Amino acid sequence: EPEVTQTPSHQVTQMGQEVILRCVPISNHLYFYWYRQILGQKVEFLVSFYNNEISEKSEIFDDQFSVERPDGSNFTLKIRSTKLEDSAMYFCASRRQGASTDTQYFGPGTRLTVL
Amino acid sequence: DAKTTQPPSMDCAEGRAANLPCNHSTISGNEYVYWYRQIHSQGPQYIIHGLKNNETNEMASLIITEDRKSSTLILPHATLRDTAVYYCIVRGHYGGSQGNLIFGKGTKLSVKP
Repeated sequence: EPEVTQTPSHQVTQMGQEVILRCVPISNHLYFYWYRQILGQKVEFLVSFYNNEISEKSEIFDDQFSVERPDGSNFTLKIRSTKLEDSAMYFCASRRQGASTDTQYFGPGTRLTVL
Repeated sequence: DAKTTQPPSMDCAEGRAANLPCNHSTISGNEYVYWYRQIHSQGPQYIIHGLKNNETNEMASLIITEDRKSSTLILPHATLRDTAVYYCIVRGHYGGSQGNLIFGKGTKLSVKP
């Protein structure tokens, strides 16, 4: 069964550094999402992406964040200058175009630790 | 999207049915009920969804009341691997390019031997 993959599984960085989190969505999917989950808290939506542009973003997704689909398979989340409060699990999700009830499938997540 | 209310935690004995309730009294006619679960900080896993009819798949059954104001997710024979946080999410059809899911706190199900 196809699945969403994410790399790395764990990223440790120093405050102020840039990080890029990578996702490979399911191959015939066209809608892509990033969510995050701070330890012990709810899963929060960050951004959705379709047709090479952001279609929706939350208040969390400020100018420090950006997303890109640099080639036909990868979907990346970049945090320009990390802060301590960016420490969280980051989940990528994808869904195929088509049925209005199509399901989002999530990757295993990247644990980001900002020191 | 309508708000949902779930109990914070539930216990279930291994091998028994786990019945997880969800209230969504403000659900509107075109909104679906989705269930996801999250096993120990892994990515959320889709379980099942429905509009008004009861639904069953290989993982679970979803029972939606006739007035659609509440639903119950049933895991017919819970195993220790079903220990997870279960999220009930109500949302409309995607339409266009939108589609973010809004997660609440969910129900932490503990399956005990």
